[in-house]
Amino acid sequence: GDSVTQMEGPVTLSEEAFLTINCTYTATGYPSLFWYVQYPGEGLQLLLKATKADDKGSNKGFEATYRKETTSFHLEKGSVQVSDSAVYFCALGVYNFNKFYFGSGTKLNVKP
Amino acid sequence: SQTIHQWPATLVQPVGSPLSLECTVEGTSNPNLYWYRQAAGRGLQLLFYSIGIDQISSEVPQNLSASRPQDRQFILSSKKLLLSDSGFYLCALSKGDDTDTQYFGPGTRLTVL
Repeated sequence: GDSVTQMEGPVTLSEEAFLTINCTYTATGYPSLFWYVQYPGEGLQLLLKATKADDKGSNKGFEATYRKETTSFHLEKGSVQVSDSAVYFCALGVYNFNKFYFGSGTKLNVKP
Repeated sequence: SQTIHQWPATLVQPVGSPLSLECTVEGTSNPNLYWYRQAAGRGLQLLFYSIGIDQISSEVPQNLSASRPQDRQFILSSKKLLLSDSGFYLCALSKGDDTDTQYFGPGTRLTVL
């Protein structure tokens, strides 16, 4: 079945460090891929998305490329800030089945 | 753009009491609606999803139920709460078209004592 696996957290980085959060997926169809961010006590916010192979989603300095050959959608940012501290969720959406699958979330702590 | 409202924002209930959480949507019509639960420090668990009025699919058998009496209203209920029902409940929508994106409400924090 369809599923998403993302790296365990927490991830602790110093401000201005490079960030990578790994995400791999299993899908029988042609899913869209997403990264969501959740700040403490809030709902999830869409961070970026990619709808087909080799697409790159980007927003607020974050990037992720849809890699069909490695079934991956790793999240990267060149220089993190304290305000990036949050939980990040990788997800896939299967349009014609109206379903979405989320990873378990990765908590990011950025220290000044 | 669409807006999702969830009520109440926080709730503390005794074990065995009933539950009703409400999700209402503005700014879109005929959305797909979803209920998720997030236990403390955990990922998202899909509970129910609905593609239309009175059309509900259950993903996990449990003591919860869902109803969609109107196009933009999605209600999560329980007759008797368990301690394990504590968590953060999130309502979400997708437009059911090729945008494929889910949008989330602010959530309801439920504590069962």
